[in-house]
Amino acid sequence: DVKVTQSSRYLVKRTGEKVFLECVQDMDHENMFWYRQDPGLGLRLIYFSYDVKMKEKGDIPEGYSVSREKKERFSLILESASTNQTSMYLCASSLARGYVTQYFGPGTRLTVL
Amino acid sequence: AQKITQTQPGMFVQEKEAVTLDCTYDTSDQSYGLFWYKQPSSGEMIFLIYQGSYDEQNATEGRYSLNFQKARKSANLVISASQLGDSAMYFCAMREGPFYNTDKLIFGTGTRLQVFP
Repeated sequence: DVKVTQSSRYLVKRTGEKVFLECVQDMDHENMFWYRQDPGLGLRLIYFSYDVKMKEKGDIPEGYSVSREKKERFSLILESASTNQTSMYLCASSLARGYVTQYFGPGTRLTVL
Repeated sequence: AQKITQTQPGMFVQEKEAVTLDCTYDTSDQSYGLFWYKQPSSGEMIFLIYQGSYDEQNATEGRYSLNFQKARKSANLVISASQLGDSAMYFCAMREGPFYNTDKLIFGTGTRLQVFP
């Protein structure tokens, strides 16, 4: 079974802090994704990566950056957290380009005070 | 304009009954894919079923089936014989364009299904 893990289920940070959300997958998937989920808005894509050291902007990249130094790990970085980044963050992976099914981690609920 | 529309914020169904969750989509591409995911209260998104735009048969996975009506641009999820464990949020999603061109998914806003005894 595909296993996608995220470093924290719940996280509380203060405005202006630098925040790292970590995601690890154990199935040698090439593609990894970061989404945020807000009530009434569904899931929105922040960034994704097709390979190590590659990244592409999704629909809402502002205020975020990502890092993929190893194939299994994809980090989402909030350079200076703001209250409007309070949300549920979901990481996903898929096998490779053209393999459509994405497998999700359990999510990190981030609160920025 | 919304690409994926789920008009039912919430649905109730009695155990063992069938339920249909609605999803309509908007795309001008000929090649696309449609997905349904389940999100229990634990938060993890669970892949349920996939339908490609060129698939002639409706997709089926156990108790889940996707009622694909291309002309109407609808991709409704049908859950037969509902179980209490089916209570969750359900999201419809679309991959727009050929599979070799993009892996990005566009999600709807979700439908919360509650199954009662």
